[in-house]
Amino acid sequence: EVQLLESGGGLVQPGGSLRLSCEVSGFTFRNYAMSWVRQAPGKGLEWVSGTNGNGRSTYYADSVEGRFTISKDNPKNRLYLQMDSLRAEDTALYYCAKEACTSTNCYGVDYWGQGTLVTVSS
Amino acid sequence: DIQMTQSPSTLSASIGDRVTITCRASQSINSWLAWYQQKPGKAPKFLIYKASTLESGVPSRFSGSGSGTEFTLTITSLQPDDFATYYCQQYHDYPLTFGGGTKVEIK
Repeated sequence: EVQLLESGGGLVQPGGSLRLSCEVSGFTFRNYAMSWVRQAPGKGLEWVSGTNGNGRSTYYADSVEGRFTISKDNPKNRLYLQMDSLRAEDTALYYCAKEACTSTNCYGVDYWGQGTLVTVSS
Repeated sequence: DIQMTQSPSTLSASIGDRVTITCRASQSINSWLAWYQQKPGKAPKFLIYKASTLESGVPSRFSGSGSGTEFTLTITSLQPDDFATYYCQQYHDYPLTFGGGTKVEIK
């Protein structure tokens, strides 16, 4: 059974940092691209960042480029999101997401965690 | 970046109705489109990929169509379990982007 378990959320002041973690099980982690998707309270889904199976290619939304860093520790089966220079508008539930992929393309998120809440406020 | 626009933002319908949701891309994404269903307090659920392929286990009353810049999600006979918010997402290019969502409400 595929499981994704996020942790690391909490209350942080504007300008501060947090590191989110996602522990996965039930699939061969090194073979799959992963993403972080967030949802502000009462709002829609926003894709934040993604990385390929080996973690060497990383991608970011314009809204977080230069402030967030995604990384993948394949031996530990963990995905991370380092969030720096946090702003009030980063307040959201952050989901860890496993991409559905063929050998050449990804085409959707087939598994989601339950999310970890990040609140940026003074 | 590719912008995804969904319409309507809210839709009121009755059990048994046929429901259609539209998603438009700001540029061609071929068929690289996914659809998700989300219920309050829950993570999204993967419904359709590559614009028209149903994910395993998804009821056949759901269908997707389109290519290029215009796509639709259709529910042929709305069931009580289908009242939720639906999102499209493009997989043509990074950054990946979602539509704003369509909430399907009980009429």
